[in-house]
Amino acid sequence: GENVEQHPSTLSVQEGDSAVIKCTYSDSASNYFPWYKQELGKGPQLIIDIRSNVGEKKDQRIAVTLNKTAKHFSLHITETQPEDSAVYFCAASRRGNNRLAFGKGNQVVVIP
Amino acid sequence: GAVVSQHPSRVICKSGTSVKIECRSLDFQATTMFWYRQFPKQSLMLMATSNEGSKATYEQGVEKDKFLINHASLTLSTLTVTSAHPEDSSFYICSASPPETGTYNEQFFGPGTRLTVL
Repeated sequence: GENVEQHPSTLSVQEGDSAVIKCTYSDSASNYFPWYKQELGKGPQLIIDIRSNVGEKKDQRIAVTLNKTAKHFSLHITETQPEDSAVYFCAASRRGNNRLAFGKGNQVVVIP
Repeated sequence: GAVVSQHPSRVICKSGTSVKIECRSLDFQATTMFWYRQFPKQSLMLMATSNEGSKATYEQGVEKDKFLINHASLTLSTLTVTSAHPEDSSFYICSASPPETGTYNEQFFGPGTRLTVL
């Protein structure tokens, strides 16, 4: 099955700086790659996703890039703010399989 | 759009009792809903996939008689933890997929239910 690895496990950044989280996946047939933000005690919130037919997608301060050849995708957060502090999960899914394979999560801490 | 709710948000019960958790898609119809379990500082663990009008598909190691899932309508799925024990204490989260996702497995998550079994 699909195996998704997420690095680094913890990331601390100064407010205003950029944060980048990278995920690698194993199944070359995966075609959907979402990123979720989870705050303490809450459910995961879909913040951005990318499909395999594009290489990059941006939504205000958040962007995701996909490298299908290398089988990795990354979340980029620019101009970080304290409210960006949370756990971020990446996931991958392949066509015909309705399961999401999740990474282990990344704790992002934005230091004011 | 794509809002999923869960009720209750937290529940405390005595060992041996059963607890029902509801998951609702508020602004879309979901033919498929998912139930996850999450332990502190860990990732989400899929327990079962629930399809409207049919039996749920459970992941390996998940006891279907322990975790009863009913997907009675296109907007409601329920998870019942039967004869709960302290080891069932966890954060339970549901998700739902809008039908227009097609071949892309887009899932929207509920806010989660914190279950504590005394």
